[in-house]
Amino acid sequence: AQSVTQPDIHITVSEGASLELRCNYSYGATPYLFWYVQSPGQGLQLLLKYFSGDTLVQGIKGFEAEFKRSQSSFNLRKPSVHWSDAAEYFCAVAERFSGGYNKLIFGAGTRLAVHP
Amino acid sequence: NAGVTQTPKFRVLKTGQSMTLLCAQDMNHEYMYWYRQDPGMGLRLIHYSVGEGTTAKGEVPDGYNVSRLKKQNFLLGLESAAPSQTSVYFCASSWTDRPNYGYTFGSGTRLTVV
Repeated sequence: AQSVTQPDIHITVSEGASLELRCNYSYGATPYLFWYVQSPGQGLQLLLKYFSGDTLVQGIKGFEAEFKRSQSSFNLRKPSVHWSDAAEYFCAVAERFSGGYNKLIFGAGTRLAVHP
Repeated sequence: NAGVTQTPKFRVLKTGQSMTLLCAQDMNHEYMYWYRQDPGMGLRLIHYSVGEGTTAKGEVPDGYNVSRLKKQNFLLGLESAAPSQTSVYFCASSWTDRPNYGYTFGSGTRLTVV
């Protein structure tokens, strides 16, 4: 079975600083990878996704992520963090399970706090 | 606005009580999912449905039942609630299960079982 690891439970950055959230996955073939963001009291919103092609993908809200097969990583980055980016971030990978259908496997999440 | 709507948003149950969580989507999506979110564990799939009248078990199905009598609705039932079912429940939908597409999530139901 596939798995997703987000090593950092909590991260605190200052507003305007750069951000990198780590995500490692286990999967034999080319994975389908996602980053979702959950603002307080809200559902999950898709930030970006990777399934083929250019290994650097751009998402909404100024986020980007880079797929590195050699490191089994899909880290999320933002050059300058805004206070409104404070939220919980989830990395996910798609897995095909019994019945032939796909589902998303989520990491445990990284909670981002932003200091003014 | 189109999307996924979950009701109720909050609920407190006593151990042994039953309840049903409702998920409704107006995007004509075939696939619907119920996840639970627990601190440090991310989201785990409880049950899913690949179309009207079909349901299947996910990773953590014990203690839950589901029904999909109408395409737009996916119900999650707890027959006899336990404190271990205290969690935030998210419903999601997708028009395809092809992995290069993501899901649309509801805003969640926070359930506390005392």
